[in-house]
Amino acid sequence: QVQLMQSGAEVKKPGASVKVSCKASGYTFTDSYIHWVRQGPGQGLEWMGWINPNSGGTKYSQKFQGRVTMTRDTSINTASMELRRLTSDDTAVYYCARDWNGNYYNDYWGQGTLVSVSS
Amino acid sequence: AIRMTQSPSSLSASTGDRVTITCRASQGVSTSLAWYQQKPGKAPKLLIYAASTLQSGVPSRFSGSGSGTDFNLTVSCLQSEDFAIYYCQQYYTYPFTFGPGTEVDIK
Repeated sequence: QVQLMQSGAEVKKPGASVKVSCKASGYTFTDSYIHWVRQGPGQGLEWMGWINPNSGGTKYSQKFQGRVTMTRDTSINTASMELRRLTSDDTAVYYCARDWNGNYYNDYWGQGTLVSVSS
Repeated sequence: AIRMTQSPSSLSASTGDRVTITCRASQGVSTSLAWYQQKPGKAPKLLIYAASTLQSGVPSRFSGSGSGTDFNLTVSCLQSEDFAIYYCQQYYTYPFTFGPGTEVDIK
């Protein structure tokens, strides 16, 4: 069965960086894009971008351009998202989600990773 | 960016009720529209994609309709497990954007 297993919760200080990982199993990792979506406390969902695990190509929301980097390691079926220059506004649950065959909607999601930013 | 709105923002209903949630896009998105269900502390779950295609494994009481700027999600006979927050998302143009959500709770 398809599973996306994310890394554990993080606590960071303002100005720091965080890297969240997402390990895929149950399907061919390079067949599906991985998207990253975040959700602030009591807030809605915000799309951050995607990575194509096959080519390494990425597409970022302009809001995060210059501050986010999405990478993948095909040897361990893992995608990662690094967000830099954190502020309290980045406190959120970060989700990875699969995009089957480049269709852009997300059929499987990770369990979420809470990133807390506080001085 | 395309702005997505949903109405109502919340509704109270009873099991067995028919419920319809509306999603509107600030510009046309063709049928590049998905609906997700989210329960507290859980990741969103895909219900509908391409505006009206039921995701595999999702009960047939869920249905979607619409194209362009106006979309509906209907639950024909609400079950206890359907009380949740529902989000629409357009994936027609970047950045992909979600609606603010509609909370369906028990009357």
